Amino acid sequence: DGGITQSPKYLFRKEGQNVTLSCEQNLNHDAMYWYRQDPGQGLRLIYYSQIVNDFQKGDIAEGYSVSREKKESFPLTVTSAQKNPTAFYLCASSITRHSVEQFFGPGTRLTVL
Amino acid sequence: DQQVKQNSPSLSVQEGRISILNCDYTNSMFDYFLWYKKYPAEGPTFLISISSIKDKNEDGRFTVFLNKSAKHLSLHIVPSQPGDSAVYFCAATRGGTASKLTFGTGTRLQVTL
Repeated sequence: DGGITQSPKYLFRKEGQNVTLSCEQNLNHDAMYWYRQDPGQGLRLIYYSQIVNDFQKGDIAEGYSVSREKKESFPLTVTSAQKNPTAFYLCASSITRHSVEQFFGPGTRLTVL
Repeated sequence: DQQVKQNSPSLSVQEGRISILNCDYTNSMFDYFLWYKKYPAEGPTFLISISSIKDKNEDGRFTVFLNKSAKHLSLHIVPSQPGDSAVYFCAATRGGTASKLTFGTGTRLQVTL
């Protein structure tokens, strides 16, 4: 049963703490992405990785960090430097970096108290 | 700078009627467009796409029209069904940067009985 999993679905953290969001895919896709969605806004690209051990900043990378040590995993760390971290975070993947269609995970809602 | 705009935040349509969702873009370099459907607290799912070399693409009840001169695309759903009630996002990308999708802010479609 192939797909993208994100865990947990809901996450609560205290202000000032770093938190890591998990994203795993078993689709054998090369490229992976992290987006953020805020109410009334579209999805905004945080980071993306076109291949293992490589990643690039998206449009709103400040306060976030990622790693891509394995093809199937692309964790996102929300650091204390992110000024407004409460949001719905979506992970996606595509077959290759040239593939336009992206497949999304179910998302993680992060609330910073 | 919002390069992809969905000016109608919401739309209500009766079951069986046509739903028309609109999207405008400003970047003339965009050459591939996609529509995604999203239910609350879930990741978006791909619906239909269109290349700039075409002006229409059809898939069952869903048709996307592209007017390049007006930088406008629309998604037609005929006939509309209650299960179509969701938020619809249009997204755009340009050749060579297939990884980077730019999303609109979404239109919430409500199909009423």
